[in-house]
Amino acid sequence: QVQLQESGPGLVKPSQTLSLTCSVSGGSISSGGYYWNWIRQHPGKGLEWIAYSYNSGSTYYNPSLKSRLSISVDTSKNQFSLRLSSVTAADTAVYYCARAHESGYGLRFDYWGQGTLVTVSS
Amino acid sequence: DIQMTQSPSSLSASVGDRVTITCRASQKISSYLNWYQQKPGKAPKLLISAASSLQSGVPSRFSGSGSGTDFTLTISSLQPEDFATYYCQQGYSTVTFGGGTKVEI
Repeated sequence: QVQLQESGPGLVKPSQTLSLTCSVSGGSISSGGYYWNWIRQHPGKGLEWIAYSYNSGSTYYNPSLKSRLSISVDTSKNQFSLRLSSVTAADTAVYYCARAHESGYGLRFDYWGQGTLVTVSS
Repeated sequence: DIQMTQSPSSLSASVGDRVTITCRASQKISSYLNWYQQKPGKAPKLLISAASSLQSGVPSRFSGSGSGTDFTLTISSLQPEDFATYYCQQGYSTVTFGGGTKVEI
């Protein structure tokens, strides 16, 4: 059973960089066919896809966030990470990591972390 | 970008009711449509993929239909554990989620 777990600071100051890590267990992050994603949910709102990494290095970012985003993969630790720079209060959200599978009908998210709340405040 | 519009944004229902949630895409997406259930404080759970394919372990009272731009999630007989928020998600062009439909008593 694949499990994902987010970790990182719960409080980030405005203009600083938000950094989160997702640890994957029960499966190898370097095994082919999967996409490793970050998704966020603003308080009381819907879901916003942020970015994914696949094939242990290729990445794709949400165009609306691309200029501030970086996603990386550490196969030795079976982890992937998110960095979002120049944060504002609008980046306050629950951040999820999730595994996606290409089903022949696009990506579907089959395993999720429990989510971690990140608050941007001074 | 493909926009996904769900309706209604919320609905009130009772146990045993038949519930229908609609998701409309801003352009044709074939059957590149998934449905998720999210309960408070929890991560979303995949219910249906490719518009109508029920995931393993998901009760058969859930069903999905549609193709192109218009899609439907139906719960044939609402159970207490089904009170939650439901999201559609398109996978035709990267990823976009609908705004969600909250099903409440």
